[in-house]
Amino acid sequence: EAQVTQNPRYLITVTGKKLTVTCSQNMNHEYMSWYRQDPGLGLRQIYYSMNVEVTDKGDVPEGYKVSRKEKRNFPLILESPSPNQTSLYFCASSFDPGGLGTEAFFGQGTRLTVV
Amino acid sequence: KQEVTQIPAALSVPEGENLVLNCSFTDSAIYNLQWFRQDPGKGLTSLLLIQSSQREQTSGRLNASLDKSSGRSTLYIAASQPGDSATYLCAVMFSGGYNKLIFGAGTRLAVHP
Repeated sequence: EAQVTQNPRYLITVTGKKLTVTCSQNMNHEYMSWYRQDPGLGLRQIYYSMNVEVTDKGDVPEGYKVSRKEKRNFPLILESPSPNQTSLYFCASSFDPGGLGTEAFFGQGTRLTVV
Repeated sequence: KQEVTQIPAALSVPEGENLVLNCSFTDSAIYNLQWFRQDPGKGLTSLLLIQSSQREQTSGRLNASLDKSSGRSTLYIAASQPGDSATYLCAVMFSGGYNKLIFGAGTRLAVHP
């Protein structure tokens, strides 16, 4: 089954304790990205990756890092989480045939609470 | 600035009604438009994808239309059911945006028996 898998689904952590949210897709998609969803602000892109070793900032990248060492995986790293990073996070992937845009597939989300 | 707006923000209807949810976007240069469903605290389920060259897509009781020139899309839900209760999100992939989706704020739908 074609899918995007995020882990963990729920996470409560303390301020400053480094954490990683994993994302994996089994569709051989080139393009992957991370979004956060906040009440009143909707979904906003954090980082994206066009392919292995190619990453770039989205609209709200502050406080986050990403890496793309393998095509299937795109982890989101919070090196020093703060309470304003409490949010619902989504990983997405899509096939990128020359940048023409295709259907995006989303993971089930990770609800992060930073206390 | 590329923006996506959804109207209404919330909708409450009795079971069986036909519904229209609206989505407007500020730039007609798009690759595609996707409609998603989100249940409370859950992930995004893709409902329909309309490519920029298409006018509409249908899946079961759902029909989505696209009018690029006017910057509008509508999601039509026929014979609504309580199980349709969810938030519906419209997302646009604008040209030159490297596959980034710009989301509307959503329409929260409640269908009561």
